Amino acid sequence: LAKTTQPISMDSYEGQEVNITCSHNNIATNDYITWYQQFPSQGPRFIIQGYKTKVTNEVASLFIPADRKSSTLSLPRVSLSDTAVYYCLVVPGDSSYKLIFGSGTRLLVRP
Amino acid sequence: GAGVSQSPSNKVTEKGKDVELRCDPISGHTALYWYRQRLGQGLEFLIYFQGNSAPDKSGLPSDRFSAERTGESVSTLTIQRTQQEDSAVYLCASSSYQTSGNTIYFGEGSWLTVV
Repeated sequence: LAKTTQPISMDSYEGQEVNITCSHNNIATNDYITWYQQFPSQGPRFIIQGYKTKVTNEVASLFIPADRKSSTLSLPRVSLSDTAVYYCLVVPGDSSYKLIFGSGTRLLVRP
Repeated sequence: GAGVSQSPSNKVTEKGKDVELRCDPISGHTALYWYRQRLGQGLEFLIYFQGNSAPDKSGLPSDRFSAERTGESVSTLTIQRTQQEDSAVYLCASSSYQTSGNTIYFGEGSWLTVV
């Protein structure tokens, strides 16, 4: 699986847009980019997945440039409840595979 | 079931005792994963089961750790002769490529404290 690199931590304030960028230089043609969110004392939960360009759902948007070597998770108008760890993973799109989570990005949203 | 179910949710054990942690995956999910997460740390991959294939045990930290899975259902993670450094939350997850791609669904975890 392609190795991912993302910032260790980020701070923001309520109501701001937060963008977390993940680098995955060795992404393969059939790989997808997936983001998980983990609140304290809970297991991670899937928030968004994409292959190229832009994907949007009720929680977030995911921007993927044409070369797919990076991706940006965008959280619009964050609230205190968005304080969590966000993990970027690159996963095969054609089979199941063991998923290795990196350290993630600890997002702290301040009042 | 509706989600991944783990038991016990909390376990306090004495150093040197054996513990068994159970995971019931989502029905029909062929892939099952175990992770360990120490307080304030990231998720540490332990073992991966996929259908009837041999499990990927590359993440098990020592021979005190073992896991089994019955067909494509229940899995048990066993820790023998527990040590204090085994204290962590043990998270189980499952997925089915056919129905959910590589999205994995986590249980609430089993919190293990070794005293």
